[in-house]
Amino acid sequence: GAVVSQHPSWVICKSGTSVKIECRSLDFQATTMFWYRQFPKQSLMLMATSNEGSKATYEQGVEKDKFLINHASLTLSTLTVTSAHPEDSSFYICSARFRGREKLFFGSGTQLSVL
Amino acid sequence: GENVEQHPSTLSVQEGDSAVIKCTYSDSASNYFPWYKQELGKGPQLIIDIRSNVGEKKDQRIAVTLNKTAKHFSLHITETQPEDSAVYFCATGIRAGGTSYGKLTFGQGTILTVHP
Repeated sequence: GAVVSQHPSWVICKSGTSVKIECRSLDFQATTMFWYRQFPKQSLMLMATSNEGSKATYEQGVEKDKFLINHASLTLSTLTVTSAHPEDSSFYICSARFRGREKLFFGSGTQLSVL
Repeated sequence: GENVEQHPSTLSVQEGDSAVIKCTYSDSASNYFPWYKQELGKGPQLIIDIRSNVGEKKDQRIAVTLNKTAKHFSLHITETQPEDSAVYFCATGIRAGGTSYGKLTFGQGTILTVHP
């Protein structure tokens, strides 16, 4: 299957700092990328959908000013958690899709711990 | 919106036995049904998927069946092995029009444990 690379795999930061997570599609052009959040032993919660070259569409209840998403190229999307707080600690996962194809491929996830 | 219910939440089997996980969905417009396997600390991995114009699909020990009338689909794993132990998620998707596919809606997940 297609490869989606996500970095970093884990990050620990102090409360109030910002953290950037990168998601790259390595062998295909990802016209659409999705960002999910997952709490322990729970399902994936969609945070936002980003299409290359346009603003991200956020799900209800997700603060767009706190979770900044940029999809500037067909192979790269970034999620920046601004002014992180302990309640933002979670497992964040990106996924990517090639135009016209239904298959969705996931990155390896990023475990964020905010102290 | 779409609602996907997945059962059971946990499943424990002996090595070599079969495992079946079932999902029901509410939106009759759903036409794409993937299954993902997630190991601890990793992202979900697509293991098999099926479109609504197909009733069954098989890939070695894994198979998926779809009943559009009843709006449910199932994952079947035969000859289970300890390395099959993971969390499995079903999902549904809708072709939004033309070549555009929208977001996936995920089930709650099933923790599968295969005992040696």
